[in-house]
Amino acid sequence: EDQVTQSPEALRLQEGESSSLNCSYTVSGLRGLFWYRQDPGKGPEFLFTLYSAGEEKEKERLKATLTKKESFLHITAPKPEDSATYLCAVGGQAGTALIFGKGTTLSVSS
Amino acid sequence: DAGVIQSPRHEVTEMGQEVTLRCKPISGHDYLFWYRQTMMRGLELLIYFNNNVPIDDSGMPEDRFSAKMPNASFSTLKIQPSEPRDSAVYFCASSLYSTGSTFGSGTRLTVV
Repeated sequence: EDQVTQSPEALRLQEGESSSLNCSYTVSGLRGLFWYRQDPGKGPEFLFTLYSAGEEKEKERLKATLTKKESFLHITAPKPEDSATYLCAVGGQAGTALIFGKGTTLSVSS
Repeated sequence: DAGVIQSPRHEVTEMGQEVTLRCKPISGHDYLFWYRQTMMRGLELLIYFNNNVPIDDSGMPEDRFSAKMPNASFSTLKIQPSEPRDSAVYFCASSLYSTGSTFGSGTRLTVV
């Protein structure tokens, strides 16, 4: 059964304190690993797609990496506006829908 | 493009009433998904369509839930009769084949 597990469930950081979020997955035939950001009261917002082990994507203070079993979302020198819930999802066999983890809620204080 | 448009944004209804949620996907997208999000269970897939055809409805909790996509620009999710445990935020999302989905702003449903 395809499965996605995110850790930690919640993370509190001081502004400028770098850290990483983890997404572990089991899926038959990875079609892609997706990271989303969700702000309170809004729908998830697409950030990155990673397709193969060793691939990396960057956007401002965020960098996503992928191995054969997990993905990391590294946050460098975070700011309060980075506070949100970060969701990881995997796409399995062709034509199937994404499977989401439960997310990591990040709080960055100044 | 205005993105994925959902209506209503908020819905409060009494137990036993019929509820209809609406979604307009992004033009040109060939996949449409309905998700439900709760604190306890996170984001759960209910059903998805490809080119207006339902592909997988195994996430639909019970026969009280039904979804339709009569054309490429409109979909509905109906709950009849509604129950308090159906209270959640319902999201619609659309995508091209292998790209990341774009989500709507969601409908917050409260059944009292």
